[in-house]
Amino acid sequence: EAGVAQSPRYKIIEKRQSVAFWCNPISGHATLYWYQQILGQGPKLLIQFQNNGVVDDSQLPKDRFSAERLKGVDSTLKIQPAKLEDSAVYLCASSLEVGVREQFFGPGTRLTVL
Amino acid sequence: GENVEQHPSTLSVQEGDSAVIKCTYSDSASNYFPWYKQELGKRPQLIIDIRSNVGEKKDQRIAVTLNKTAKHFSLHITETQPEDSAVYFCAAFITGNQFYFGTGTSLTVIP
Repeated sequence: EAGVAQSPRYKIIEKRQSVAFWCNPISGHATLYWYQQILGQGPKLLIQFQNNGVVDDSQLPKDRFSAERLKGVDSTLKIQPAKLEDSAVYLCASSLEVGVREQFFGPGTRLTVL
Repeated sequence: GENVEQHPSTLSVQEGDSAVIKCTYSDSASNYFPWYKQELGKRPQLIIDIRSNVGEKKDQRIAVTLNKTAKHFSLHITETQPEDSAVYFCAAFITGNQFYFGTGTSLTVIP
């Protein structure tokens, strides 16, 4: 079974630039999560999708972050404009559905904002 | 919302010794508690989990205990090996809600 795919794996940008991350969940997984993991901390949920609908985006900084999952499969997370404090690893995870607890993580995208 | 605290933040043990990592949570509605292992530069991987209706679960050298009354759960690794060196995260999950992660414990097993 293929795992959660993410790209790019690394990204370096200057502050105020824009960046986008892509995630392809495990086939058949309806629930998709985006997490931000700052160095030395645990993952923090940014947004959770069930199919193409948003379940929880309460911790997403909506003035600069946006995410979509238009067809209920792939998802993109965008930051515009980026700030220095956005430097982190952005993890995508998926699970079969909201009620199924086990989630599988992708390899993450390491973002460095200079 | 839920608040998960994890201790210690770093832990060094001699190979063959045991390692214990503890987490506390605040919301009694939390009903699922997974533990993840994250090696440097890699994705978090689920190593063991426990549901709120169980007090203890074992899987070979790894065990997790849950005390619902005190709202804490612990990861126990016995006979540690160098390949156990990694960052370990606990999490608490509330049905219909989300996962709340601890801040991580960096475990180093000294050969």
